[in-house]
Amino acid sequence: GESVGLHLPTLSVQEGDNSIINCAYSNSASDYFIWYKQESGKGPQFIIDIRSNMDKRQGQRVTVLLNKTVKHLSLQIAATQPGDSAVYFCAERRDAGNMLTFGGGTRLMVKP
Amino acid sequence: ETGVTQSPTHLIKTRGQQVTLRCSSQSGHNTVSWYQQALGQGPQFIFQYYREEENGRGNFPPRFSGLQFPNYSSELNVNALELDDSALYLCASSSGGRGETQYFGPGTRLLVL
Repeated sequence: GESVGLHLPTLSVQEGDNSIINCAYSNSASDYFIWYKQESGKGPQFIIDIRSNMDKRQGQRVTVLLNKTVKHLSLQIAATQPGDSAVYFCAERRDAGNMLTFGGGTRLMVKP
Repeated sequence: ETGVTQSPTHLIKTRGQQVTLRCSSQSGHNTVSWYQQALGQGPQFIFQYYREEENGRGNFPPRFSGLQFPNYSSELNVNALELDDSALYLCASSSGGRGETQYFGPGTRLLVL
């Protein structure tokens, strides 16, 4: 398949380890944040979201942390599996807006 | 699978031509957003349609236009194609017109020669 993200930051982890993918956002007025996973040749797949009135939200094997003080968002993946290999994007929605603004993406590579 | 479908999957056009891309939203969703994703970059917002009206636009020229139909499916039209229009075009469906929890289709890969 085609390659998504030829020059992206890359995080390489061993299968079974935990992964942490970080994202800095710029707009303090953003009120909603979302993480997507994009595999080669596919559209972005929703993983988890969080509103600005929360600091942490957990899903199945994933946790999103939001630090509004330093405008930082992170995605934690527990017990990383080979199927988690993909490019991960964070996106923000600015308060009262209707568009998502995406970050540049991080490539996660899982070594068996 | 998100239930969002796009057609065609791939398309090759020449500079100056016009193209129409299509998107069917997920059942129950009344909002469609279109994004352009250049190779190696995150998606960039083109515009959004909510209940058949344009509901926000990103930094794209007027030759990018769209439509939403009563069944909430949508079209993206690009006139006077330029080489830099080569990209993956993604549509995302959601409900409520506020850009929340957008579910993406597989995209249309456009190559302009």
